[in-house]
Amino acid sequence: AQTVTQSQPEMSVQEAETVTLSCTYDTSENNYYLFWYKQPPSRQMILVIRQEAYKQQNATENRFSVNFQKAAKSFSLKISDSQLGDTAMYFCASHQGTGANNLFFGTGTRLTVIP
Amino acid sequence: DTAVSQTPKYLVTQMGNDKSIKCEQNLGHDTMYWYKQDSKKFLKIMFSYNNKELIINETVPNRFSPKSPDKAHLNLHINSLELGDSAVYFCASSHSSGAYEQYFGPGTRLTVT
Repeated sequence: AQTVTQSQPEMSVQEAETVTLSCTYDTSENNYYLFWYKQPPSRQMILVIRQEAYKQQNATENRFSVNFQKAAKSFSLKISDSQLGDTAMYFCASHQGTGANNLFFGTGTRLTVIP
Repeated sequence: DTAVSQTPKYLVTQMGNDKSIKCEQNLGHDTMYWYKQDSKKFLKIMFSYNNKELIINETVPNRFSPKSPDKAHLNLHINSLELGDSAVYFCASSHSSGAYEQYFGPGTRLTVT
């Protein structure tokens, strides 16, 4: 089984500033995938960014980037130039990279962007 | 152009009733899932299903059963509803090989009174 830990239940950031959300995971697999999902008040789960464990290069998607430290089993999300629309719950998730397997989610970090 | 849709979005019912939540995806995925999100926002897998196998989380009561008429649909049937079943239920879908990212439906908020 995989476990995902998000140690920051809540965070806040000033608009236009940068914030980093932490995530650590535990897996015995060599091939796996990591994800960050965003859940705004509308409750829709939105995929933010994806990282493949065999790729050393950190994934980036516009203002969102990750710091993937495979040896430390750490997968943090950096949000640059924070916008009010970034206010949401953020979930870190891992996927064992074989077959039809589910995602293992962390407990989430509630991010508030302050105007 | 909804990728993963669920109906209904809200469901209020009384204890003891039987209800169903429908899910459809038009992404051509071969695997579908049901997740439960409790009041503390924790997301937990209930079922994963593709055309080859159904994987059931052993902690899910057998009052919950998935039904898949075809690859694009995975419905969730719940018998003898209990107060503790109140939660948001998410359907998701993905390919069983490749990138594995899952796409979620809008969720169904189930309230049992």
